[in-house]
Amino acid sequence: DTGVSQNPRHKITKRGQNVTFRCDPISEHNRLYWYRQTLGQGPEFLTYFQNEAQLEKSRLLSDRFSAERPKGSFSTLEIQRTEQGDSAMYLCASSSALQETQYFGPGTRLLVL
Amino acid sequence: SQQGEEDPQALSIQEGENATMNCSYKTSINNLQWYRQNSGRGLVHLILIRSNEREKHSGRLRVTLDTSKKSSSLLITASRAADTASYFCATVMYNNNDMRFGAGTRLTVKP
Repeated sequence: DTGVSQNPRHKITKRGQNVTFRCDPISEHNRLYWYRQTLGQGPEFLTYFQNEAQLEKSRLLSDRFSAERPKGSFSTLEIQRTEQGDSAMYLCASSSALQETQYFGPGTRLLVL
Repeated sequence: SQQGEEDPQALSIQEGENATMNCSYKTSINNLQWYRQNSGRGLVHLILIRSNEREKHSGRLRVTLDTSKKSSSLLITASRAADTASYFCATVMYNNNDMRFGAGTRLTVKP
């Protein structure tokens, strides 16, 4: 257990529905990252927050995806109008400004039917 | 897009043997990190090596970095069945905060 938690751990939804995932980072970490991982591949960077500011977004993050970190603590990742291609593991990680190591949560596995 | 490529894609060895995994990348980096992932779980950080370092050790792990060849290797000595997992290298570039992962090496250690 790295100290980063994600909820839910699993989500099954129908195509076209909206889903929201939550990440609670290690409390003293001001940096938070979202990644997506498909079967047999490494994680792909989606977006990065420093405190409450979203500083980087990947081109993978289409306009159906939105992430927030309203108080600089937990973060949410919402996917609107889900598509079957959104099926993947969504990983959250956090780090402090003083270290480069990212600590990953267990992930949320999304299946879009 | 992914930056690193691990080689081999899959590796199967007997307990007690050494396992070597390689990673190649394309652009200049600030540091390179190795992570481990058990099936269906999150990633666990193993070791970080900076661009000005050539070799680091941590327990049974030895990592090398050759920036001229844009490559790194992870050696696990005296492997155990519990080392069975996927291993990923991840690169961090200068003035960039996102890590770029390779597709990973799936290591199986047979008891």
